[in-house]
Amino acid sequence: GAVVSQHPSRVICKSGTSVKIECRSLDFQATTMFWYRQFPKQSLMLMATSNEGSKATYEQGVEKDKFLINHASLTLSTLTVTSAHPEDSSFYICSALRGLNTQYFGPGTRLTVL
Amino acid sequence: GESVGLHLPTLSVQEGDNSIINCAYSNSASDYFIWYKQESGKGPQFIIDIRSNMDKRQGQRVTVLLNKTVKHLSLQIAATQPGDSAVYFCAETFSGSARQLTFGSGTQLTVLP
Repeated sequence: GAVVSQHPSRVICKSGTSVKIECRSLDFQATTMFWYRQFPKQSLMLMATSNEGSKATYEQGVEKDKFLINHASLTLSTLTVTSAHPEDSSFYICSALRGLNTQYFGPGTRLTVL
Repeated sequence: GESVGLHLPTLSVQEGDNSIINCAYSNSASDYFIWYKQESGKGPQFIIDIRSNMDKRQGQRVTVLLNKTVKHLSLQIAATQPGDSAVYFCAETFSGSARQLTFGSGTQLTVLP
């Protein structure tokens, strides 16, 4: 099966600091990856589409300067939450598109901003 | 696209019974649908998918039914087991969307012993 990893699995940081989350497709190459945010008891909200070698496409209402996405290789996309604040605390999940249709999800990263 | 669930519907079933989880999707242009299972604190796990040119697809203990007329999707789990307890999300996408998924609000399935 397709495997996607995320690192770290959980992170606690102080308000005002930046946090980087990595998403890797371990056994396939992914031109396209996606970043989601999920609040408790809610569904996944798409934040942005990450395309290898080009700029990410952000969903409406998502600040691109706050959530920096880099997709430098076919197996790695990173999400950096800059100047994190408590309201950024959430569960961040990435997925990688395999083939034309199927997204495989990472295990998620729990971010807590104090 | 994005979908925000303001509450999580729940379904409780007895172990060994069949479960049916329903989902209404929004975009008549959607041509590919997926069911995901999400356990607490984990990422969504692919269960089964179906294309819009089909109305039924079966996997191991799971069946997905698609009714395009009323834009309805269902997931049937046979002989539900305790390990099936999780939140189940349907997701829709179409070829013109760069395969972005729009998620339903999810259903919390609890399997009772």
